[in-house]
Amino acid sequence: AQTVTQSQPEMSVQEAETVTLSCTYDTSESDYYLFWYKQPPSRQMILVIRQEAYKQQNATENRFSVNFQKAAKSFSLKISDSQLGDAAMYFCAYRSARLYDNNDMRFGAGTRLTVKP
Amino acid sequence: DTGVSQDPRHKITKRGQNVTFRCDPISEHNRLYWYRQTLGQGPEFLTYFQNEAQLEKSRLLSDRFSAERPKGSFSTLEIQRTEQGDSAMYLCASSLALGPGRTAYEQYFGPGTRLTVT
Repeated sequence: AQTVTQSQPEMSVQEAETVTLSCTYDTSESDYYLFWYKQPPSRQMILVIRQEAYKQQNATENRFSVNFQKAAKSFSLKISDSQLGDAAMYFCAYRSARLYDNNDMRFGAGTRLTVKP
Repeated sequence: DTGVSQDPRHKITKRGQNVTFRCDPISEHNRLYWYRQTLGQGPEFLTYFQNEAQLEKSRLLSDRFSAERPKGSFSTLEIQRTEQGDSAMYLCASSLALGPGRTAYEQYFGPGTRLTVT
């Protein structure tokens, strides 16, 4: 079974600084997707960034980028120029790319990010 | 608003009562998922639908839980004889599977229904 581990329950960053959130996963599959979701205090999950395992290039979305290390099964999220609105719970998630799979997400336990003004 | 909506947002019930939650997915999405999230944890998969067919249920989904998606649009999740351990946030998500043998991409989540069983 696939598992996702986020070893940092809490992180904090100074506004305008850079922070990196860690995520490791365990799978025997070769094709899959990885995601970072943000869950602000209002609790609605919002997709931050997606990475396809077959792509070697790391995904980027504006101030958000990932460091995907497939051999190490590591998928970290870097937030540059942190803003107060980035404060939230961040969840790393895994989804199989197998055909005819239910494609349910496997989530880590989350990292609570605090942004200090 | 074309996002995923859930109703109610909060529900407080006494142990032993039945509760029902509703999820309205993004209109063109054919897949609908239910997850449960307890405090300090990430969401855990409960069940999912492809159109109106319920295709998989997690072992977390006890016999007291039942889900329907009668016309392939909205879905309901019912919990019978609620227990204190059922207290959690129940999240609904939807996605688009692009045809037989095609995987769906990211899931879009609703705001959740927070259930408190007293």
